[in-house]
Amino acid sequence: EIVMTQSPATLSVSPGERATLSCRASQSVSSNLAWYQQKPGQAPRLLIYGASTRASGIPASFSGSGSGTEFTLTISSLQSEDFAVYYCQQYTNWPYTFGQGTKLEIK
Amino acid sequence: QVQLVQSGAEVKKPGASVKVSCKASGYTFTNYLIHWVRQAPGQRLEWMGWINGGNGNTKYSQKFQDKVTITRDTSATTAYMELSSLRFEDTAVYYCAREYSSSTGRAFDIWGQGTLVTVSS
Repeated sequence: EIVMTQSPATLSVSPGERATLSCRASQSVSSNLAWYQQKPGQAPRLLIYGASTRASGIPASFSGSGSGTEFTLTISSLQSEDFAVYYCQQYTNWPYTFGQGTKLEIK
Repeated sequence: QVQLVQSGAEVKKPGASVKVSCKASGYTFTNYLIHWVRQAPGQRLEWMGWINGGNGNTKYSQKFQDKVTITRDTSATTAYMELSSLRFEDTAVYYCAREYSSSTGRAFDIWGQGTLVTVSS
């Protein structure tokens, strides 16, 4: 099973600033990586797939990069609605696995 | 619009079974996989398995192989996830999600609202 590890566990950023979230895979997942946003009491929402392709309706302030074992989600200018928990997910091998999440909180 | 609507919250006793439904609308049900993912309190998302809406083929996580059964009813455009021999640690929110696939990748693009299953004596 591929283990996904996200860092940091919690990230405190001020509105308008840039946030950088990291995700590491225990073995190469090529570009088979997705990012999701989850707010309290809600289902996850797809942001990025294929490591860098934004999903439909996702603003350009969200960008993904990386391949192999190291990935990054960048939010260029934080809005109030961006404060949430973010998960990465690999879909190279079954079982598909998720990271433990990064909580993005207001500084 | 494209959506997945799940059945309501359940409370079950240890050892019982639960069956959660996931009603699809707004797209061709048979053209997509439906996955099931669970989220225990304070835990990461955990993939359980998928079903092919067209041919009914399934794939399960080894962790849930002996515990979960995923089925579908194409006439009702509904997928089902049945979890047996419930234990306290099965208390979680269970989500269904549609798999989107393109030349640039795959992902779960549409999610149900989640169904809370509580195992309590």
